[in-house]
Amino acid sequence: RKEVEQDPGPFNVPEGATVAFNCTYSNSASQSFFWYRQDCRKEPKLLMSVYSSGNEDGRFTAQLNRASQYISLLIRDSKLSDSATYLCVADILTGGGNKLTFGTGTQLKVEL
Amino acid sequence: DGGITQSPKYLFRKEGQNVTLSCEQNLNHDAMYWYRQDPGQGLRLIYYSQIVNDFQKGDIAEGYSVSREKKESFPLTVTSAQKNPTAFYLCASRGDRIPGQPQHFGDGTRLSIL
Repeated sequence: RKEVEQDPGPFNVPEGATVAFNCTYSNSASQSFFWYRQDCRKEPKLLMSVYSSGNEDGRFTAQLNRASQYISLLIRDSKLSDSATYLCVADILTGGGNKLTFGTGTQLKVEL
Repeated sequence: DGGITQSPKYLFRKEGQNVTLSCEQNLNHDAMYWYRQDPGQGLRLIYYSQIVNDFQKGDIAEGYSVSREKKESFPLTVTSAQKNPTAFYLCASRGDRIPGQPQHFGDGTRLSIL
């Protein structure tokens, strides 16, 4: 079983739609969580951290459910510029220090 | 500007040749990481370093080597033992003094075999 699992998509949605991505992680010792955005042939860029109480940044809302080991990202009022791959990331403390484990990403395509 | 610089952006290697990818950061981060990404795939950890003069193998270290002689620099050597080196290589760094910090990435090096 992968440590971080995401639906690969693609999610094809019309502009203005609300879209939700889910992610599950297998290691209950995971401490911190993030969503990154990666554009085609570019490096991943931090979109937002995920806090236990849930957090919002403009049109983006992230939530964490530790009991179910589940993270979500909600994008409201989708824009064409939101088209990208969204990576779910879990931070795990190992003997060699903290290590981020990346999901394989969910591809989003926002269309006119 | 503070950031992570990877060079070169594109690199071509002949079979049987070692090549070194550069990664430099001026963010004063203790931890640095190397990942490999294949088309349509996620990031896989090659090596990481939490502190100068120390590093650990990641999930796919075979055929790669690293050094961490300076805090700012974490070069990755792709050796001839790596049989399928064509990929997008990403370097990242992170400040670990406050728990839960995200990683920041350089803009990557694309390595191809001639």
